[in-house]
Amino acid sequence: AQTVTQSQPEMSVQEAETVTLSCTYDTSESDYYLFWYKQPPSRQMILVIRQEAYKQQNATENRFSVNFQKAAKSFSLKISDSQLGDAAMYFCAYRTRNKLVFGAGTILRVKS
Amino acid sequence: NAGVTQTPKFQVLKTGQSMTLQCAQDMNHEYMSWYRQDPGMGLRLIHYSVGAGITDQGEVPNGYNVSRSTTEDFPLRLLSAAPSQTSVYFCASSSPIAIEQYFGPGTRLTVT
Repeated sequence: AQTVTQSQPEMSVQEAETVTLSCTYDTSESDYYLFWYKQPPSRQMILVIRQEAYKQQNATENRFSVNFQKAAKSFSLKISDSQLGDAAMYFCAYRTRNKLVFGAGTILRVKS
Repeated sequence: NAGVTQTPKFQVLKTGQSMTLQCAQDMNHEYMSWYRQDPGMGLRLIHYSVGAGITDQGEVPNGYNVSRSTTEDFPLRLLSAAPSQTSVYFCASSSPIAIEQYFGPGTRLTVT
């Protein structure tokens, strides 16, 4: 069974600085997708970034980038130039077929 | 284009009561699913459907029923509510060739 582990229940970052959220996963599949979702207090699930396992290049979306280490089954999210609006719960997720397996989440606090 | 809609947004039930959480999407997506979100556990899959008339169980299906009579709708039924079903429920949809799942705004359910 696939599992996703986020080892940091909570993280803090100063505004304008960089923070990295960790995620590891376990799977026997070779072709899959990985995601980071953001959940602000509004509760809406917002896709931040995605990575296809067959792509070696790390995905980047503006201030958000990932460090995808397939052999180590690691998928961390780096947020650069942190903003107050980045404060939220962040979930790492693994997609198998049309099902998502989520980690427990990391609360990110941004200090001004 | 409304995307994925869920009703109600909030609901309080007494133990033993039954109710249906509604989910609809207007994107003609074949795949739909229900997740529940509990503190410290991320989102967990309850049931999913790969098309009208086809449903299957996810990770935590006990106490819930689903049916898929149309492409647009995927209601989740609680047969006899229990306090353990107090949670936030999310509906999601996607197309077969798409990578991303689209989430509804969620329903917060409290069972007393």
